[in-house]
Amino acid sequence: AQKVTQAQTEISVVEKEDVTLDCVYETRDTTYYLFWYKQPPSGELVFLIRRNSFDEQNEISGRYSWNFQKSTSSFNFTITASQVVDSAVYFCALSEAYAGNNRKLIWGLGTSLAVNP
Amino acid sequence: DVKVTQSSRYLVKRTGEKVFLECVQDMDHENMFWYRQDPGLGLRLIYFSYDVKMKEKGDIPEGYSVSREKKERFSLILESASTNQTSMYLCASTQGHVAKNIQYFGAGTRLSVL
Repeated sequence: AQKVTQAQTEISVVEKEDVTLDCVYETRDTTYYLFWYKQPPSGELVFLIRRNSFDEQNEISGRYSWNFQKSTSSFNFTITASQVVDSAVYFCALSEAYAGNNRKLIWGLGTSLAVNP
Repeated sequence: DVKVTQSSRYLVKRTGEKVFLECVQDMDHENMFWYRQDPGLGLRLIYFSYDVKMKEKGDIPEGYSVSREKKERFSLILESASTNQTSMYLCASTQGHVAKNIQYFGAGTRLSVL
């Protein structure tokens, strides 16, 4: 069965610290997609990154980086030099390209990140 | 930019009322979704629609219905609101293949049923 686990419910850091948000997934499909979304206090989920199962390259975008490791079924997200504006709930999600249930995302429960000044 | 607009940010209703939550997207997306978000439970899919007048049940459809008469608009209906439907409701849309495409979200409607 498909599943996404974000083991960290809440994280609190001080500004400028680095922080890693963990995401572990389960799937039987060989073709799948992984996503990260950010939900700031305003409520609207904002897309951050998508990765397909055949692309294990890590990605860096400014202070954000993602580490995709199929061997451990993980897609972790690191914020370098965190800022107060990074305070949000972050969701990891999985979708399977060819499964019968390929019309929906499987969502993790989210990690609430608080960055304190 | 894709815009998904939910008609209300906050809504307060009484038990037993019929409630309509409206969502409009401006990017001609085929697929639209309704989720509810509760603390500790993450996002749960209520219904989704992959075309006009087409719909599929999500994980928690009980107590809800939907309507999609036009491509840009997807309505969530609570036929008889109950207190356990107090929640944050999020609408999203995406084009093409749901599995690989980005979902765009509205700002959410926080519904309180008293």
